[in-house]
Amino acid sequence: SAVISQKPSRDICQRGTSLTIQCQVDSQVTMMFWYRQQPGQSLTLIATANQGSEATYESGFVIDKFPISRPNLTFSTLTVSNMSPEDSSIYLCSVEQSGSAGELFFGEGSRLTVL
Amino acid sequence: GIQVEQSPPDLILQEGANSTLRCNFSDSVNNLQWFHQNPWGQLINLFYIPSGTKQNGRLSATTVATERYSLLYISSSQTTDSGVYFCAVESRRYSTLTFGKGTMLLVSP
Repeated sequence: SAVISQKPSRDICQRGTSLTIQCQVDSQVTMMFWYRQQPGQSLTLIATANQGSEATYESGFVIDKFPISRPNLTFSTLTVSNMSPEDSSIYLCSVEQSGSAGELFFGEGSRLTVL
Repeated sequence: GIQVEQSPPDLILQEGANSTLRCNFSDSVNNLQWFHQNPWGQLINLFYIPSGTKQNGRLSATTVATERYSLLYISSSQTTDSGVYFCAVESRRYSTLTFGKGTMLLVSP
């Protein structure tokens, strides 16, 4: 399976600031996704990162709050903008490899705490 | 969207015991996966199993797609099995993966 690296692995942020999370994959993948996991909760899909075009956001998530880039087939970023304590979560990058019949693999996650 | 229900929500086992985790879903699926989230937050793929039965060591899984459920079996549990087990499904109508709320497993020595 693909090796998925996320940076930062964890961070403590101040209210009102923004943070960009990077996701790097060691091979080209067809699909990349960003998920959020709030404390003690399950995973919720934020958006599908589309290569060379705007991301596709799920209900309840907007581009102004969670801008996403995907400049190529192996890299994506998620920015959490104007953070509040409610944004404290684990943010996970997920990929579907070519030929994997839909199986998803996840990075290690980025654990953000907003004070 | 598709509904995914996992049971039980919490489970405490003595080391060496066996357990069965269940995942019910509300629609036909293209994709069903089981994950283990370890205490550090890492999601580990256990099974990709939209139908049928698979085994990997002490773990096995069965999905009965026609009856819309999947089971994860853990035999001879070890303390390292502790964590949260998630079932995630992709319905044929919506091409994104929906996660259940998980089963939190604690295996005590």
